[in-house]
Amino acid sequence: KAGVTQTPRYLIKTRGQQVTLSCSPISGHRSVSWYQQTPGQGLQFLFEYFSETQRNKGNFPGRFSGRQFSNSRSEMNVSTLELGDSALYLCASSLETIGESPLHFGNGTRLTVT
Amino acid sequence: DQQVKQNSPSLSVQEGRISILNCDYTNSMFDYFLWYKKYPAEGPTFLISISSIKDKNEDGRFTVFLNKSAKHLSLHIVPSQPGDSAVYFCAARRTGANNLFFGTGTRLTVIP
Repeated sequence: KAGVTQTPRYLIKTRGQQVTLSCSPISGHRSVSWYQQTPGQGLQFLFEYFSETQRNKGNFPGRFSGRQFSNSRSEMNVSTLELGDSALYLCASSLETIGESPLHFGNGTRLTVT
Repeated sequence: DQQVKQNSPSLSVQEGRISILNCDYTNSMFDYFLWYKKYPAEGPTFLISISSIKDKNEDGRFTVFLNKSAKHLSLHIVPSQPGDSAVYFCAARRTGANNLFFGTGTRLTVIP
């Protein structure tokens, strides 16, 4: 079974621009979550989608948004990029709940904002 | 506010010996705990999990222990192998939620 696929792997953007990241979950997984990893901060939860609905949201500003499509694929958008948005963005998928199956992560998109 | 803490940023262990990675949490509403391993340029890989109704779970060389009264869990790797060298993250889920709170990770180096 194919794993979680994230595209692109690397991105370089300039302050003020916007960016869209893409994620394809494991087949059959309906929950897709996004996490931000920065040095010293570990992984911070951004949001979770299930059946095209945002089910849970972390403590990030409104510049961070996402959506999920009917095939469970998800996109994450960051508008008006700031230098501090430079990070590894990880997408993860699971069955309906983490208790049924653990989160399975993709290899991430490394975003650099200059 | 870091609800899951890994106070040791790094740990070095000789090959064949036991590796013990520790994790503390503050939220008594956490009911499910997981350990992930991460290699550079890859996403975290699930290792082992434990529900709050248990105090121990084993999977091959990996054992996770949960002490609810102390709000502490640990991951034991026996015997440690050079391929275990990676960053290990502890994570926890709150009851009714479907997101994880992660610690900041411990870098394990297994010396051949």
